[in-house]
Amino acid sequence: EAQVTQNPRYLITVTGKKLTVTCSQNMNHEYMSWYRQDPGLGLRQIYYSMNVEVTDKGDVPEGYKVSRKEKRNFPLILESPSPNQTSLYFCASSFEAGNTEAFFGQGTRLTVV
Amino acid sequence: ILNVEQSPQSLHVQEGDSTNFTCSFPSSNFYALHWYRWETAKSPEALFVMTLNGDEKKKGRISATLNTKEGYSYLYIKGSQPEDSATYLCAFSDYTDKLIFGTGTRLQVFP
Repeated sequence: EAQVTQNPRYLITVTGKKLTVTCSQNMNHEYMSWYRQDPGLGLRQIYYSMNVEVTDKGDVPEGYKVSRKEKRNFPLILESPSPNQTSLYFCASSFEAGNTEAFFGQGTRLTVV
Repeated sequence: ILNVEQSPQSLHVQEGDSTNFTCSFPSSNFYALHWYRWETAKSPEALFVMTLNGDEKKKGRISATLNTKEGYSYLYIKGSQPEDSATYLCAFSDYTDKLIFGTGTRLQVFP
């Protein structure tokens, strides 16, 4: 089954404790991206990747890191989480950037206390 | 930052009513316009991706139109059903490889 898998689905952590949210896709997609969703703001792009070893900042990259060492995986790293990073996070992948449909993971609800 | 606006923010209709919502986006550097359906506690799912001015797409009772010159797209739902209740997102893509989402239109269909 074609899918994008994110883990964990829910996470409560403390300020400053490094965490990684994993994302994996099995569709051989070139393009992967991370979004955060906050009430009233819609989905905002954090980082995206056009291909292996190619990553770029989205609209809200501060406080996040990503890597793309393999085509299928695109982890989101929060080196020192803060309460303002409490949000719902989605990973997405698509065959190409922009003009092909995005497939979304199940979402990760992160709370930083 | 590019702005994508959707209206209305929310909509309540009776089962059987037809409805439509609007997505407004920058008319310059247009590359593609996406529509997604997002049910509560699930992930957004693609409805349509449109790339050409004048494009019209249809999937069952849902259809969409695109006007890239004036920067808007309409999503229509004919004969709304309770299972159509969801948030409908549009997203704009220019040539920068980013996808910019609107805040969505939340549709509730009452039996």
